[in-house]
Amino acid sequence: KAGVTQTPRYLIKTRGQQVTLSCSPISGHRSVSWYQQTPGQGLQFLFEYFSETQRNKGNFPGRFSGRQFSNSRSEMNVSTLELGDSALYLCASSRAGQGPDTQYFGPGTRLTVL
Amino acid sequence: TQLLEQSPQFLSIQEGENLTVYCNSSSVFSSLQWYRQEPGEGPVLLVTVVTGGEVKKLKRLTFQFGDARKDSSLHITAAQPGDTGLYLCAGVEYNFNKFYFGSGTKLNVKP
Repeated sequence: KAGVTQTPRYLIKTRGQQVTLSCSPISGHRSVSWYQQTPGQGLQFLFEYFSETQRNKGNFPGRFSGRQFSNSRSEMNVSTLELGDSALYLCASSRAGQGPDTQYFGPGTRLTVL
Repeated sequence: TQLLEQSPQFLSIQEGENLTVYCNSSSVFSSLQWYRQEPGEGPVLLVTVVTGGEVKKLKRLTFQFGDARKDSSLHITAAQPGDTGLYLCAGVEYNFNKFYFGSGTKLNVKP
């Protein structure tokens, strides 16, 4: 079974631009969560999608948004990029998203904002 | 502020030594998970502990969940270079399907 894939793996943008990251979950997984990982703040939860609906949201500004498609693939968008948005963005998929479920992480997209 | 505090932040030891990593919180969680992350990859789940006081063993790794379900520890016996990586604990809230990650412990095991 293929693992979670994320594209692109690396991205360089400048301040003010916007970016879209993509995540393909493991086949059969309906929940996709997004995280931001930085050396200073660690791994922070952005949001979770289940059956095309945002079910949970972390404490990030509205510039961070996402969506999920009917095939469970998910995208996250960051508008008006700031230097502080430079981070590793990870997505994780799980089967049903309830209880002590196992999250499977992708390799991440390394975003650098100049 | 991190909901979960891990200590130590960095650990550099020789092969064969033992070590313990701690994960503490003032919040109660439904369960607690431990992950290991290697450079260029996403975190990989090692274990989930659910019951207060629970102890789980995974080869040379021993995980313990505190009685009050607020803290946890990871003990590695006879560390090997292959154990090198970033260890993350995550508190799980079932009702909200939310995961709160600790700040991480970067372990380096020297041969």
